[in-house]
Formats: sequence, structure tokens, C-alpha cells
Amino acid sequence: EAQVTQNPRYLITVTGKKLTVTCSQNMNHEYMSWYRQDPGLGLRQIYYSMNVEVTDKGDVPEGYKVSRKEKRNFPLILESPSPNQTSLYFCASSRQGDTEAFFGQGTRLTVV
Amino acid sequence: SQQGEEDPQALSIQEGENATMNCSYKTSINNLQWYRQNSGRGLVHLILIRSNEREKHSGRLRVTLDTSKKSSSLLITASRAADTASYFCATDGGSQGNLIFGKGTKLSVKP
Repeated sequence: EAQVTQNPRYLITVTGKKLTVTCSQNMNHEYMSWYRQDPGLGLRQIYYSMNVEVTDKGDVPEGYKVSRKEKRNFPLILESPSPNQTSLYFCASSRQGDTEAFFGQGTRLTVV
Repeated sequence: SQQGEEDPQALSIQEGENATMNCSYKTSINNLQWYRQNSGRGLVHLILIRSNEREKHSGRLRVTLDTSKKSSSLLITASRAADTASYFCATDGGSQGNLIFGKGTKLSVKP
């Protein structure tokens, strides 16, 4: 089954404690991206990757890091999380940047 | 950055009625997509319409695209309670690197 898998689904952490949200896709897609969703603001892109070792900033990259060492994985790293990063995060993959995107089930992050 | 904007922000209808949502965008595009999101869950792709297409159908969905007005509409016919969700348009802005989403229309279909 074609899918994008994010882990964990829910996470509560404290300010400053480094965390990683994993994302994996099984469709051999070139393109992967991370979004955050906040009430009233819609989905905003954090980072995207067009291929292995190729990443670029989206609209709201501050406070986040990503890596693309393998085609299937695209982890999101918060080196020093802050309360304003409390949000619902989605990973997505697609064959190309402008083709149908497949989304993970989301990670609800709370930073206290 | 360039973004699609949906209208209305919220829509409440009775089962069996049609629901129409609109999306406007700012720059030229290669294609425009519509997605659905059930509460707090991942987005699901509904339909993609290319810039050289004017109308596309998929089941009870009808999408139109007017590139001269930089706008698109999504029509859901004979709505069902299960159509209750948020609907988002997404554009590529003419580039190959970025899929930009609007803020969505929240549709509520009452039984």
C-alpha cells in the first residue's frame, strides 16, 4: 500500500529538548516536504527536498532542520524547540513538486 | 509567498444540496489541485486540473479553472454528511519546487 508514515503521531516535549519527527515514503517519490498547520493560517511549508541531498527552505524554516540522506526518508529536526512551534505537522511526498501529493497522518507537537 | 485563497472560509449546507468553493491565486500556474482534510488528519488529493484545461470531473466533483481570472471552483453535487471536511486548493505558482496551499474552506453537511 502506498503510504507516507510519520512518527510519532503525538509528542509533548519541553522547551529546548531536541527532537526528531521521522517521515518515510514507499512510493520512490523524488519530492518530499514538511508543512505545519495552525488555526487560521492554513498549511505553511517548512522545508522541501527535490531529491537526495537536495533541500530548500519553504515559507517558515526558522527553528527547523531537515536532511535527505536516502530517497525514502525526510526527517524534521527541531534542535531547540520553543512553544511557538506547537503545531500539527505534516510530511508529504510526490513524484514531482507539482504533482499529486501524498500526506502522512500528521504529528501533533506540543512544546511546554 | 504566492498562495491560493479559498472562499468562503466556512460553508454549512443540508445533505443533498450542492456545495461550491472558490479559490483565487496570484501568479501563473502549471496546475491547480484540490485536497480534502477530515478533522486533524492528513490531506487527501481529490483532483488536479492543468492550466490548459477549463473543466474536470471526478464522480460528484466538478472543478473549473479560469486562468484569465486566476480562479478555480470546486463543486460537490448531492452532498452527503460524509463530505463534511475542510477543502484546500494548492498551486505550484508555475514552478516545479513548491506546492502552496490556501487556508481552506470548512464544509459542514447536515443530515
